[in-house]
Amino acid sequence: GAVVSQHPSWVICKSGTSVKIECRSLDFQATTMFWYRQFPKQSLMLMATSNEGSKATYEQGVEKDKFLINHASLTLSTLTVTSAHPEDSSFYICSARDRRVGGTDTQYFGPGTRLTVL
Amino acid sequence: AQSVAQPEDQVNVAEGNPLTVKCTYSVSGNPYLFWYVQYPNRGLQFLLKYITGDNLVKGSYGFEAEFNKSQTSFHLKKPSALVSDSALYFCAVRAPLANNNDMRFGAGTRLTVKP
Repeated sequence: GAVVSQHPSWVICKSGTSVKIECRSLDFQATTMFWYRQFPKQSLMLMATSNEGSKATYEQGVEKDKFLINHASLTLSTLTVTSAHPEDSSFYICSARDRRVGGTDTQYFGPGTRLTVL
Repeated sequence: AQSVAQPEDQVNVAEGNPLTVKCTYSVSGNPYLFWYVQYPNRGLQFLLKYITGDNLVKGSYGFEAEFNKSQTSFHLKKPSALVSDSALYFCAVRAPLANNNDMRFGAGTRLTVKP
């Protein structure tokens, strides 16, 4: 199968601090990973597309300097929420696309990270 | 640009009864269609997808979905619902371009199966 992990699963931080969330594809290499944000009882909102070895592509309205994305290897992408504020509190979900030859060409999702900013 | 509509916010069914969660889509060309399920405080789990071939797609946990091109629909179905099927279900569509990574999700439908 295709497994995507996220760490941490939940984090509580003080306003003004930065938080890093890791997303790993465990059994396949992902040249492209995605970061989503989900508010309570709402759908997923795509924040950015993370490309290995190059800059991330951000969706309109998402602050690049606020949400730093690094895709340093084919199995790891990180999202850093800088100078977090209470309005950044949300459920963040990463996803990786399995584009292996003979694979499913399907996006697989991590378990999510619940961020609470006090 | 592609889009997905899930017309029902909530679906309630009794355990043992068949269930249907509706999805309609809009995309240029032949779509790639997906269903995912989300349990509380969890990420999305892949259920099934349609790319090409047989219009009836079978997926995980006994779910299936039928691709209907004329009605631009991809409804999720299960012959006999279980209480454990209670969750949030998302339909998604992606346009069939080789390097297209743009997947669009519906708003989600909360399924409640009552014993």
